[in-house]
Amino acid sequence: KQEVTQIPAALSVPEGENLVLNCSFTDSAIYNLQWFRQDPGKGLTSLLLIQSSQREQTSGRLNASLDKSSGRSTLYIAASQPGDSATYLCAVGNSGGYQKVTFGTGTKLQVIP
Amino acid sequence: EPEVTQTPSHQVTQMGQEVILRCVPISNHLYFYWYRQILGQKVEFLVSFYNNEISEKSEIFDDQFSVERPDGSNFTLKIRSTKLEDSAMYFCASRGEMNTEAFFGQGTRLTVV
Repeated sequence: KQEVTQIPAALSVPEGENLVLNCSFTDSAIYNLQWFRQDPGKGLTSLLLIQSSQREQTSGRLNASLDKSSGRSTLYIAASQPGDSATYLCAVGNSGGYQKVTFGTGTKLQVIP
Repeated sequence: EPEVTQTPSHQVTQMGQEVILRCVPISNHLYFYWYRQILGQKVEFLVSFYNNEISEKSEIFDDQFSVERPDGSNFTLKIRSTKLEDSAMYFCASRGEMNTEAFFGQGTRLTVV
């Protein structure tokens, strides 16, 4: 059974800092990995999608990497801004069965002005 | 850009009542899913649906729940005899072919009072 863990659970940083969010998964049989942002009480906003054959994806100040063999992904946020404050979710697309998505526990980020 | 649409965005119901959550997946997609997120917890898989039948379900998806694709465009989740603990955000997702991205709707917040 796939388990997805995110560390840290919460993070508070001053504005302008670069930061790294970590995601680990137990079963490397995945076809993609996705990072989402979730604001309090709101839905899921897709940030980056990495196919299992890829090593990284970039969008603006965000960079996500994937090491499938070791079961790890990182989300790098450059020059953090208060508007980045949200919960960040890692989600893996499982290769087996009907390819359900398994979500991580989330990292709650607060960027202090 | 095509998107998964969920209605209503928020529904309040009395305990013991039946509710139907509605989703319109992306039009040419073949695989459909429901997920649930209880407040403060992680997003959990409920059920997957393919070729007009349930393909996989979690232990959460008991006889209280049912899914249907009544008309080729809508995908519904019915919850019978709602309980307080059914209060959660419910997300619908759809996917085209195998090994492609799953697209998520913005969720329906269900509050059982």
